[in-house]
Amino acid sequence: AQSVTQPDIHITVSEGASLELRCNYSYGATPYLFWYVQSPGQGLQLLLKYFSGDTLVQGIKGFEAEFKRSQSSFNLRKPSVHWSDAAEYFCAVGALPGSSNDYKLSFGAGTTVTVRA
Amino acid sequence: NAGVMQNPRHLVRRRGQEARLRCSPMKGHSHVYWYRQLPEEGLKFMVYLQKENIIDESGMPKERFSAEFPKEGPSILRIQQVVRGDSAAYFCASSPRDRGANEQFFGPGTRLTVL
Repeated sequence: AQSVTQPDIHITVSEGASLELRCNYSYGATPYLFWYVQSPGQGLQLLLKYFSGDTLVQGIKGFEAEFKRSQSSFNLRKPSVHWSDAAEYFCAVGALPGSSNDYKLSFGAGTTVTVRA
Repeated sequence: NAGVMQNPRHLVRRRGQEARLRCSPMKGHSHVYWYRQLPEEGLKFMVYLQKENIIDESGMPKERFSAEFPKEGPSILRIQQVVRGDSAAYFCASSPRDRGANEQFFGPGTRLTVL
């Protein structure tokens, strides 16, 4: 069975400071990993995704994530947070494209990020 | 190109009533997925539909829940005789083809509250 854990429910960070959101996954095969962001009133927007290659992957809005197989982690980072980054962030895992059930994503419970001036 | 549309955004029902949630996929998308997010939990897959076909409903509760995606019009998630435990956020996603977790585009969700 696949599952995702986001240990931090809520994080508060000052504008301009760095941000790291943790994600641990459990998956029986090679995982396809995602980070989504949901701003208030909006749908989930894909920030980045990973299943092979360089373990440090770049996404949109200045975000990056690092895959660590030994730790079953896929943490999201941003060097300098902007007030517009205040949102809820979801980590998700799925099967590789072309696999059976590759459409079926499993999500973490989300981390809400508050940015203070 | 408008994104995935869901309505209503908020829905309040009393126990025993019916809830109908609508999802209009992105233009050109013919595959729809419904997810449910219970309080304090992540999104959970419910059902995958193509036009006029249910492909995978393994995540749907066995009773009271049904989904359709007709040839014309939006996809509908229907919950009959709602109970308090149905209170959740329901998200719809769409994709342009039958394969591709990386191709799912999500709507803003419908927040269902059962009194």
